[in-house]
Amino acid sequence: DGGITQSPKYLFRKEGQNVTLSCEQNLNHDAMYWYRQDPGQGLRLIYYSQIVNDFQKGDIAEGYSVSREKKESFPLTVTSAQKNPTAFYLCASSGWTSAYGELFFGEGSRLTVL
Amino acid sequence: GDSVTQMEGPVTLSEEAFLTINCTYTATGYPSLFWYVQYPGEGLQLLLKATKADDKGSNKGFEATYRKETTSFHLEKGSVQVSDSAVYFCALIADSNYQLIWGAGTKLIIKP
Repeated sequence: DGGITQSPKYLFRKEGQNVTLSCEQNLNHDAMYWYRQDPGQGLRLIYYSQIVNDFQKGDIAEGYSVSREKKESFPLTVTSAQKNPTAFYLCASSGWTSAYGELFFGEGSRLTVL
Repeated sequence: GDSVTQMEGPVTLSEEAFLTINCTYTATGYPSLFWYVQYPGEGLQLLLKATKADDKGSNKGFEATYRKETTSFHLEKGSVQVSDSAVYFCALIADSNYQLIWGAGTKLIIKP
């Protein structure tokens, strides 16, 4: 079945370590997104990419990095520069044939800093 | 700037009760409006949408009407079930930058 796969589902990190969250989609979508979700808050956009080899910062990009070398993949690295990385991270995608605003989400990755 | 305001949760109801979750927005132009739902431990999925004034979006027994005069897009369901327990997000996309603007989410708890 087509969809978005995020891994790992749960991740623990020691302070000072970089970690990379994987996001893969087989929907043939051009655009991909990373969001951060904290309790009681809406989703905040970290980075997005509308085409391979191109990406833009969202509202809270500091302390994060991404790459888009393949259409199917959009990994997110949480660097040691991110001061408060404990959160739920959601990857999403959308295609040119999808109406604007119609995003397909993965099941999320929960990162905990020990 | 553009924004979305949702009623605070949690909202707790008994099974078969009538549901309303309020959502109001601020935006220039003519945004499209959305409701997404997040079941426990999962990602979000689109529930319904409306793209112009007076449009009604509907899905799975849920409805919402795009009211431009009151800048609202309230979510309603006539008879909720325990399986409707989830977090509901209202969102808009404006003409200006085509990025979704999210409300804070409203947690809904349905008791049998």
